[in-house]
Amino acid sequence: GAVVSQHPSWVICKSGTSVKIECRSLDFQATTMFWYRQFPKQSLMLMATSNEGSKATYEQGVEKDKFLINHASLTLSTLTVTSAHPEDSSFYICSASGQGETEAFFGQGTRLTVV
Amino acid sequence: GQNIDQPTEMTATEGAIVQINCTYQTSGFNGLFWYQQHAGEAPTFLSYNVLDGLEEKGRFSSFLSRSKGYSYLLLKELQMKDSASYLCAVKDSNYQLIWGAGTKLIIKP
Repeated sequence: GAVVSQHPSWVICKSGTSVKIECRSLDFQATTMFWYRQFPKQSLMLMATSNEGSKATYEQGVEKDKFLINHASLTLSTLTVTSAHPEDSSFYICSASGQGETEAFFGQGTRLTVV
Repeated sequence: GQNIDQPTEMTATEGAIVQINCTYQTSGFNGLFWYQQHAGEAPTFLSYNVLDGLEEKGRFSSFLSRSKGYSYLLLKELQMKDSASYLCAVKDSNYQLIWGAGTKLIIKP
């Protein structure tokens, strides 16, 4: 299957700071990227969907000014958690899909801990 | 609303067979996926069904009935490494993945 690289794998940051998470498709062009958040023992929750070159579509309840998503190229999308707070601590996962693909390929996930 | 139901937790014995069920109610249907997720890791793709019937892939098989809004994942010859959460997901009419909460499968020796 195709490879999606996400980093960092884990990050610890201080409350009030910003954290950037990168998601790269290594061997295919990702026309659409998805960002998910998963709290312990809970399901994956879609935060936003982004198509290359256009603004991301955020799910209801997700603050677009807090979770900045950039998808400037067909191989890279970034999620920036601005002014992070302890309640933002979670497992963030990206997935990418190429045009016509039935399957979305996942990055390794990023464990964010805000202290 | 859209809803996907699967059991929260199941326990099975090493070497045995286990069936994990998934029922769904979504706005449109463009395929059903099963993923395996080990704790602290991203999901890994197991199977994809878009037509009714059984798809077999090694020890794992997945079944779909669109008229019943029902699927199951069948795992044979269970191994300890199969202990994980199994996620059912459906692509709706907007090709968006709707996720179930996952079934935690515990394998005992």
